[in-house]
Parts: sequence; structure tokens; C-alpha cells
Amino acid sequence: GDSVTQKQGQVTLSEDDFLFINCTYSTTTYPTLLWYVQYPGQGPQLLLKVTTANNKGISRGFEATYDKGTTSFHLQKASVQESDSAVYFCALSGTQVVGQLTFGSGTRLQVYA
Amino acid sequence: NAGVIQTPRHKVTGKGQEATLWCEPISGHSAVFWYRQTIVQGLEFLTYFRNQAPIDDSGMPKERFSAQMPNQSHSTLKIQSTQPQDSAVYLCASSLDGYEQYFGPGTRLTVL
Repeated sequence: GDSVTQKQGQVTLSEDDFLFINCTYSTTTYPTLLWYVQYPGQGPQLLLKVTTANNKGISRGFEATYDKGTTSFHLQKASVQESDSAVYFCALSGTQVVGQLTFGSGTRLQVYA
Repeated sequence: NAGVIQTPRHKVTGKGQEATLWCEPISGHSAVFWYRQTIVQGLEFLTYFRNQAPIDDSGMPKERFSAQMPNQSHSTLKIQSTQPQDSAVYLCASSLDGYEQYFGPGTRLTVL
């Protein structure tokens, strides 16, 4: 079945630092890959979607890139702010059953001013 | 657009009691999903409806858990005879295309 691995459990940065979070995935078909952000007390919010057609997504200063060769996709931001502190999840769309999302374990980002 | 609405936000039940969780999807979205979130297991898929029809319930525990979508404006997740291990945040999401899913704030269920 589909799987997603997100190894960075926690990332601590200062404001204006560069952010990079990596995910690897395993699937037998062409995936749609997504990044969600979750703030305390809220549900996950869709941040970016990347498909095999476009390879890259950009939103709110964040950029997601997909590499089919290494079956990885990563999230980056050039200059983080304290307000970016949250948990970031990568997710793979259901390739066997359209719509079901398989989530990574999440990366907690803490940004200090 | 109010987003996905989930009620109640918090529910506390005693062991063995029943819990019913409600979800109102975004108007016009044809797909509704239920997920469960815990510290240990993370985000887990439970079940999925499209146009009110159940499509996939592969993530649902076979006993005690059931989900329904009686009309396009709401879905319910029912847990019978709740157990402490059912304590979690239950999240509902809706989608137009099944890929971009929009989540509600969740219901935090605590089973004492």
C-alpha cells in the first residue's frame, strides 16, 4: 500500500532562517502530493498540492517540489516567521482509492523571534 | 463560506457509553472523509463518502464504529460502547475532487 515517511519530528529555527522539510513516499502509481499545516486547536489546512504534471507548487511563500527519481517531495521557505510555527504534514492522495490521504507523522516547526 | 463544521468540539464520555459526532461539509462538496488523530498513531483515515454513498470504510474499526451520511449537508460518526483507547481528535474533511481536502476543527473525544 501507499506510505509516507517524514523523518524530521521537530525543527527549531530563528526568524528569517531557511526552512526545509523532506518527505519520501512509496506508491505504485502516479501520486498527488500535498502539504498541510496544523495550528493548535485546529484541523489541518491545505498549504500546497503538487502533481506529476506540475512538479512544483507555491503558496504563501512556501514552495513544494516533487522528485519522481528519488520519490521525495519537500517543503521549503526562504525566510520563516514566528507565525509559521505549527505542525507540517506531508500527504499522499489515495492511488488505490481516490481521495483517501496517507499522512506523514508531521514536523513540528518552532520559530523564535 | 463557513468551512467544515464539526460538533461538538469536545465530548467526554464514560467507558461503555455511546458517542455521536457530527460533521457539516462545505456546501457543494460531494466527498466527505473522517480521520482520527492521536499522538501515537498520527492521522489515520477512517471512512469516505461520495455523493452520500459509502465508498471506503477500510480504516474503520469493525466493531463499535459506524458512519452515515443521510443527506448532503451532514455526516455522523457513531462509536458504541466507547473505550479509553477511542480517545482522540476526530476530524472531518470535505472535498470537491477528492484530492484537495478541507478539514474541520475536529471533535476531541475523551473516554474516561
